[in-house]
Amino acid sequence: AQSVTQPDIHITVSEGASLELRCNYSYGATPYLFWYVQSPGQGLQLLLKYFSGDTLVQGIKGFEAEFKRSQSSFNLRKPSVHWSDAAEYFCAVGSKTSYDKVIFGPGTSLSVIP
Amino acid sequence: EAGVTQFPSHSVIEKGQTVTLRCDPISGHDNLYWYRRVMGKEIKFLLHFVKESKQDESGMPNNRFLAERTGGTYSTLKVQPAELEDSGVYFCASSPGWGYEQYFGPGTRLTVT
Repeated sequence: AQSVTQPDIHITVSEGASLELRCNYSYGATPYLFWYVQSPGQGLQLLLKYFSGDTLVQGIKGFEAEFKRSQSSFNLRKPSVHWSDAAEYFCAVGSKTSYDKVIFGPGTSLSVIP
Repeated sequence: EAGVTQFPSHSVIEKGQTVTLRCDPISGHDNLYWYRRVMGKEIKFLLHFVKESKQDESGMPNNRFLAERTGGTYSTLKVQPAELEDSGVYFCASSPGWGYEQYFGPGTRLTVT
């Protein structure tokens, strides 16, 4: 079955520290992978996406993610977290044939300590 | 350019009542999607419109849910009668076409008591 797992329900980091949010997927077809962020009171915003090519993807707000096919992972990273990064982060997967039916992970809530 | 808007932002109703959620997509976006997140679980796809036609409604949970998009502009999602398990956040998204990024609205939080 197609699924996305995010092992960490909640993470707390200090401002300025590095961040890595984990994402693993199970998907039969070649996946398209996404990371979305939802800040309080806001809609979901696309941080970055992977369709093909370079497995290290750069996104907005200084985020990057690396696609590792052998590990079925698409972890999100940021070298230095800002207080404004506190939000909920969702990993998601789709495919060329079902791009429009995106499957989301359960989300990771990020808290940032000043 | 205005983003995707949803109304109301929060609705509290009693079990058995009817609620209608509205979504206004970004102007010119033919594709409109509904998702929901129930009780902190995964965000799940409900259905997809292309203009006024339902392209895929495989995620609709049951026949208590009715979505419409008359004229291919805004969309409504009606829940009738509402049940406790319908509580959650309902998201709407739009995109200009297949394969493009989906732009999400802020969501409507539905509480059924």
